Amino acid sequence: KQEVTQIPAALSVPEGENLVLNCSFTDSAIYNLQWFRQDPGKGLTSLLLIQSSQREQTSGRLNASLDKSSGRSTLYIAASQPGDSATYLCAVRHNTGFQKLVFGTGTRLLVSP
Amino acid sequence: DGGITQSPKYLFRKEGQNVTLSCEQNLNHDAMYWYRQDPGQGLRLIYYSQIVNDFQKGDIAEGYSVSREKKESFPLTVTSAQKNPTAFYLCASSMAGGLSGEQFFGPGTRLTVL
Repeated sequence: KQEVTQIPAALSVPEGENLVLNCSFTDSAIYNLQWFRQDPGKGLTSLLLIQSSQREQTSGRLNASLDKSSGRSTLYIAASQPGDSATYLCAVRHNTGFQKLVFGTGTRLLVSP
Repeated sequence: DGGITQSPKYLFRKEGQNVTLSCEQNLNHDAMYWYRQDPGQGLRLIYYSQIVNDFQKGDIAEGYSVSREKKESFPLTVTSAQKNPTAFYLCASSMAGGLSGEQFFGPGTRLTVL
C-alpha cells in the first residue's frame, strides 16, 4: 500500500528565505507526482506535475524534483514571500490502472514579513 | 471561465438527513472524483467516475452515493448511514487517459452535522 509522508508538518521562515519542502513515498512504481497548494478553507491549486520519467519541473520561483528510485520529491521555493503562506500537499499516482492519487498530510508554511 | 464549481460552500445537516453536494465542471474532462479532507489527514478518495454513467467506489465509500448522468456533473449524496460526515469535501476532475492525468480541484464544501 502506497504511503506518502511530508516533513516537516509545519515551517516558519522570514520573508526572502529559500526553502525546501520534502515528500517521500513508499512504492516507487508511480506514474507521476503532483504538488498542490491549499489556502485555509479553500480547494487545492495544482502547482507542478512531474512525470515518472522526469527529474524536475519549474514554474516561476518553484522547482520540484523527483527521485523515483529513492521515493523522494522536493519542492524548492526561492525568495519566499508572505503570499506563499499556505499548506503544500504532494500526491502520487500509481503507474497502473486507475488515476488514483495518494496524498500526504501536507506542510503548513508561514512566511513572515 | 473554465473550472470546477462546488455548491454550497457551507452545508449543515441534522442527524438522519441525507444531503447532496453539487460538483460541476466545464473543462470537458471525462473523469471526476470526490475526496474527503479531515484535519491532520490527507485527502481520501470517496468515489470516482471515468466516464458518464459509470462510477466506482474509492477507499471510503460507505455511507455515500453518487451519480454521473452528465459529463459535466458528479453530485455526491451523504446519507444518514455515514457515521461521521463532518468534513471538508473536495471535487476534482481530469482528462481520463490523458498523458499527464493532472487533477484539478474545486473550492470545496464544508459539511457540518448539527
